[in-house]
Formats: sequence, C-alpha cells, structure tokens
Amino acid sequence: RKEVEQDPGPFNVPEGATVAFNCTYSNSASQSFFWYRQDCRKEPKLLMSVYSSGNEDGRFTAQLNRASQYISLLIRDSKLSDSATYLCVVPGFQKLVFGTGTRLLVSP
Amino acid sequence: GAGVSQSPSNKVTEKGKDVELRCDPISGHTALYWYRQRLGQGLEFLIYFQGNSAPDKSGLPSDRFSAERTGESVSTLTIQRTQQEDSAVYLCASSLSLDRIAGPRVYGYTFGSGTRLTVV
Repeated sequence: RKEVEQDPGPFNVPEGATVAFNCTYSNSASQSFFWYRQDCRKEPKLLMSVYSSGNEDGRFTAQLNRASQYISLLIRDSKLSDSATYLCVVPGFQKLVFGTGTRLLVSP
Repeated sequence: GAGVSQSPSNKVTEKGKDVELRCDPISGHTALYWYRQRLGQGLEFLIYFQGNSAPDKSGLPSDRFSAERTGESVSTLTIQRTQQEDSAVYLCASSLSLDRIAGPRVYGYTFGSGTRLTVV
C-alpha cells in the first residue's frame, strides 16, 4: 500500500456544487495531516491542517477517520477559483509525504 | 525573509552542463526540503536538511545530484552533467522545527515558487 493515495480525478463540477475528495494513508501512527492546493504551474500552498477529528474553514471542511485511515476534504458552494489540484499530505519520517493530487475543475 | 525564495526562477541548460539551484528559506525555519515535480506528476522528495545536516538523502536520484546548506539559511542543489530527464520544477520548502520530527508535522511546509529547469 502506498503511503498516501488519492483519486487523480478530474472532478468536474458546476459552480455552487458540493464536492468531496478522499485520501487514504498507510501509516497508522500518523498524527497530523494537511491539504495543500496547487494551481497550474504554481507551487503548493497550505490549505488546511487536520490534527484531530476535523477542521472547518469557511466553505472547506477537512475530516479525519483514524480507524479507516482516510482524510477527506469537502468543498461547499464551489467557486470557479476553486479549480486546482488538491494534495493530501501525510507525515512520514522527518518529512511530509505528498499524494499525487486530485484535480478539481469548477465550471460556470 | 517573508517567504521562501528560489533562484533562478527559470533555467535552460544544455545536456551535460552543471547547474546550481538556490533556496533561501524563511528566517528562523530550521528545516529545509527539496522536492522535484515533473510535468503532470506529483512531488518527488529529494533531500531534507535539519540545520546544515542532511539526515535524509534517500531521495537523491543519482550521484549527479548533491545539496548543501550553510547553517540554517541558504541551500544549494547542484546537478552535474545534466540529462534531459532532469527537466522538472525543483521546489524548496521550509518549516519550523521544534524538534526534528514535530516541526513539519505541526506547521506544514511553506514552498518557494520553484526553479523550472529545462535541459535541451
């Protein structure tokens, strides 16, 4: 099993839709997790941190299910500007391990 | 500085030449990481520095790749005898490290805007 796995997508959704991505991880000892956003030809930027069961920031909700070893990101009321690749990030030994990302395309 | 600074932002080089990429982390960030991202691919870990020591060099793809860091500041990634497969965006990130393990886990990374390397 890979350290972190994501569905590459793309997820095509209309503006205003709610969309959710899942990410699974293999290291049951992992404590904190992150979602990063990467726009085309740009560097990844931290979107949210997840330390306990979940975290909410405006339209974005991240949830952690330790028993099943997955993290989810929920985006409500999608905007055109949400179009990007969303990277699931899991701590490895002395470094963070990045998933390959899920691509989201929000259309008018 | 205010953010992680990388230079050059773009580099085109001929196959076989050496290149040096520079990263200036956020002031006070003791941990520094280099990643590589090929077009349409995920991030590939290269090397990690805690201060000026590199406890994890496992990701360096070959002995043509080397990196060093001066104290807790600037790092350089050197690629010798570049090959076309070295073409990628090289991303540097830094993080606070309260200790060698907790830092990136708690604070995440801040990335620089990368160096786009093209080997022709």
